[in-house]
Amino acid sequence: GQQLNQSPQSMFIQEGEDVSMNCTSSSIFNTWLWYKQDPGEGPVLLIALYKAGELTSNGRLTAQFGITRKDSFLNISASIPSDVGIYFCAGQRGGGTASKLTFGTGTRLQVTL
Amino acid sequence: ETGVTQTPRHLVMGMTNKKSLKCEQHLGHNAMYWYKQSAKKPLELMFVYNFKEQTENNSVPSRFSPECPNSSHLFLHLHTLQPEDSALYLCASSQDRGQDTQYFGPGTRLTVL
Repeated sequence: GQQLNQSPQSMFIQEGEDVSMNCTSSSIFNTWLWYKQDPGEGPVLLIALYKAGELTSNGRLTAQFGITRKDSFLNISASIPSDVGIYFCAGQRGGGTASKLTFGTGTRLQVTL
Repeated sequence: ETGVTQTPRHLVMGMTNKKSLKCEQHLGHNAMYWYKQSAKKPLELMFVYNFKEQTENNSVPSRFSPECPNSSHLFLHLHTLQPEDSALYLCASSQDRGQDTQYFGPGTRLTVL
């Protein structure tokens, strides 16, 4: 089936550092979504990208939809302890009832003081 | 608080038990989803309902039986589960089936003994 390669799998960073993670695929997607999941909770949508080349920010988070439509990255600036969690990318192909959303395996982020 | 609630949050059951998971969304959405999240694996889509009708069943074993009595409620009935079914079961909703911005509930942590 469709696979999204998300990297890195895990990151240990110090508070205040910037973070970068990405998702790549061999197939084209129409939409890229980035979610964050805290321990014991469901994923929460952070940023949605709908157009190739689109760059969108949400506070300290910035995400881009790759020009080739096969990749996306998420940057977090000046990390803080509450950034800890698992970050998932998700790509959507097709439309209407044929729409398929595929999730990456996640990037686990640990922030040390 | 995403507007999607799930109960119970934790469930331990034996292989001969019958139990049900409940999901309720307060967002006025028309599509609802069940996902399975196992350790170190991508989110696995199980079932999709759109306007109360099941539109997708991703080869899920019959020991999982979904029910969608209306657009706001979704159930997952469980019977004769196996230990490998232990996972976090997540419910999500979106405006319509073709809308990719899915909002997740907090999940039910299921342990099958």
